Amino acid sequence: AQTVTQSQPEMSVQEAETVTLSCTYDTSESDYYLFWYKQPPSRQMILVIRQEAYKQQNATENRFSVNFQKAAKSFSLKISDSQLGDAAMYFCAYRILNTDKLIFGTGTRLQVFP
Amino acid sequence: DSGVTQTPKHLITATGQRVTLRCSPRSGDLSVYWYQQSLDQGLQFLIQYYNGEERAKGNILERFSAQQFPDLHSELNLSSLELGDSALYFCASSAVPGYNEQFFGPGTRLTVL
Repeated sequence: AQTVTQSQPEMSVQEAETVTLSCTYDTSESDYYLFWYKQPPSRQMILVIRQEAYKQQNATENRFSVNFQKAAKSFSLKISDSQLGDAAMYFCAYRILNTDKLIFGTGTRLQVFP
Repeated sequence: DSGVTQTPKHLITATGQRVTLRCSPRSGDLSVYWYQQSLDQGLQFLIQYYNGEERAKGNILERFSAQQFPDLHSELNLSSLELGDSALYFCASSAVPGYNEQFFGPGTRLTVL
């Protein structure tokens, strides 16, 4: 069975600094997608970044980037130049190619201090 | 705003009762998904519909059921409610199955007393 593990229940970072959130997953599939979602206090689930497993290049979206290590089944999120608005729960998620079921980790709560 | 709407935003009810949660997908999206998020947990996939037909099922309880109507809106029915059913219920939609992004609604907060 596919599982997603986020081993950091809480993280904190100072404004303008960089923080990395960890995620590992377990799968026997070779083709899949990986996602990071942000859930601010409003509870809205917001897609931050996605990575296709067949792509070797790490995805980047502005201040957000990932370190995708397929052999290690690791998918960490790096937030650069952290802002107060980045404070939220962050969920790592996995989906097998050509299926639609998203499997989520338990989340990491990120606090940003001024 | 994702374009996915859910009603109501909050629902408070008693054990043993039955409730219906409603979701309208983004314009043009044919696929609807339901997820449950219990306190401080990740989202758990419940069920997916595509163009009115059930497409995939997760760990959905027998007390729960869903359907997608011809106008593509979906309803999640929860019956014989228990305290443990208190959670956030999210609806998401995508254009077609396999499309790689699901857009989430704002959720319905269900509290069972």
